[in-house]
Amino acid sequence: GENVEQHPSTLSVQEGDSAVIKCTYSDSASNYFPWYKQELGKRPQLIIDIRSNVGEKKDQRIAVTLNKTAKHFSLHITETQPEDSAVYFCAARPDRGSTLGRLYFGRGTQLTVWP
Amino acid sequence: ETGVTQTPRHLVMGMTNKKSLKCEQHLGHNAMYWYKQSAKKPLELMFVYSLEERVENNSVPSRFSPECPNSSHLFLHLHTLQPEDSALYLCASSQEQHHGYTFGSGTRLTVV
Repeated sequence: GENVEQHPSTLSVQEGDSAVIKCTYSDSASNYFPWYKQELGKRPQLIIDIRSNVGEKKDQRIAVTLNKTAKHFSLHITETQPEDSAVYFCAARPDRGSTLGRLYFGRGTQLTVWP
Repeated sequence: ETGVTQTPRHLVMGMTNKKSLKCEQHLGHNAMYWYKQSAKKPLELMFVYSLEERVENNSVPSRFSPECPNSSHLFLHLHTLQPEDSALYLCASSQEQHHGYTFGSGTRLTVV
């Protein structure tokens, strides 16, 4: 099955700096890549996603890039704020009928933004 | 609310108890999932249901028993749990290939 690796496991940045989280995947059939943010004690929430026919997608301070050839995708957060502090999960979804939409998650990155 | 509701939010149970976790979604999704989230561990997929049929059981011990009576409801029945089963149990739903998951708020389970 699909294997998603995520780095780094922890990331500390100063407020206003940029943060980058990287993920790799193994299954070339994966075609959908969402990112989730989980604040302490709360549920994971979808913040941005990208499909394999697109190389980059941006939503205000958040952007995701995808390199299908290298099988890696990244989350970029610019002008970080303390409220960006959370655990971020990447995921991949192979386009195979047997998986029925199942997502394969990375291990998560604990982002801390210092004021 | 996100459209996926989990109850209870917190549960403390003894190792000999029997309890059930409930998940409910009214998003019209046709797939539902149970995940276990322990401290400093990745999200662990437990069960996948599609159209009320279990399509994946990810080597979960038999002390966890899922039930999906209809496309809107998913249960996780618990019995004779171990302290290492203490974790946050997350339910999620999706419309198969089209979108990401919508997660519930989770049930924080403590086994004493």
